[in-house]
Amino acid sequence: AQSVAQPEDQVNVAEGNPLTVKCTYSVSGNPYLFWYVQYPNRGLQFLLKYITGDNLVKGSYGFEAEFNKSQTSFHLKKPSALVSDSALYFCAVSNFMDSSYKLIFGSGTRLLVRP
Amino acid sequence: ETGVTQTPRHLVMGMTNKKSLKCEQHLGHNAMYWYKQSAKKPLELMFVYSLEERVENNSVPSRFSPECPNSSHLFLHLHTLQPEDSALYLCASSQDQGGVNEQFFGPGTRLTVL
Repeated sequence: AQSVAQPEDQVNVAEGNPLTVKCTYSVSGNPYLFWYVQYPNRGLQFLLKYITGDNLVKGSYGFEAEFNKSQTSFHLKKPSALVSDSALYFCAVSNFMDSSYKLIFGSGTRLLVRP
Repeated sequence: ETGVTQTPRHLVMGMTNKKSLKCEQHLGHNAMYWYKQSAKKPLELMFVYSLEERVENNSVPSRFSPECPNSSHLFLHLHTLQPEDSALYLCASSQDQGGVNEQFFGPGTRLTVL
């Protein structure tokens, strides 16, 4: 079955420290991988995606993610966290199934950056 | 903010009411989506429209009825809802359905069913 796992409900990090939000996936074929962020009372905002090519992709707000095919992971990273990065982060995979592409979301990880 | 607007932002309704949620995208996309977001659960895809035709209906109860009159507008008609339908309903759009293109989300409608 196609699935996306975000093993941590919450990640706590001090401002200025590096952050990692984990994501693993299970799909057949080559996946297209996405990260979205959701601020309170807002919809999801696209951060970055991996389609093909360089395993390290860079996105908005200084975030980047590394695609690791052997570990089926796509962890989100940032070298230096900001308090304003505190939000809910969703990993998603787009996979072709039942004659169409479907975007499958993880359950989300809440990032809390303390001053 | 993202080119996708939703109205109303908040809605409280009784189980016998009929109401509609509206979504409009200003991005020139040809695919639109309804999602349900409940606390501590992954986003649930409800409906997909591509080129104004419904291409996905994820076993959603008939008390939810979508309508896509054109590529820019999407509605979700609600009737005789249950308290467990209380959630954040998100609309999204993309250029072409799925695949490599990211979806752009509206701010959502927070629905409370009494």
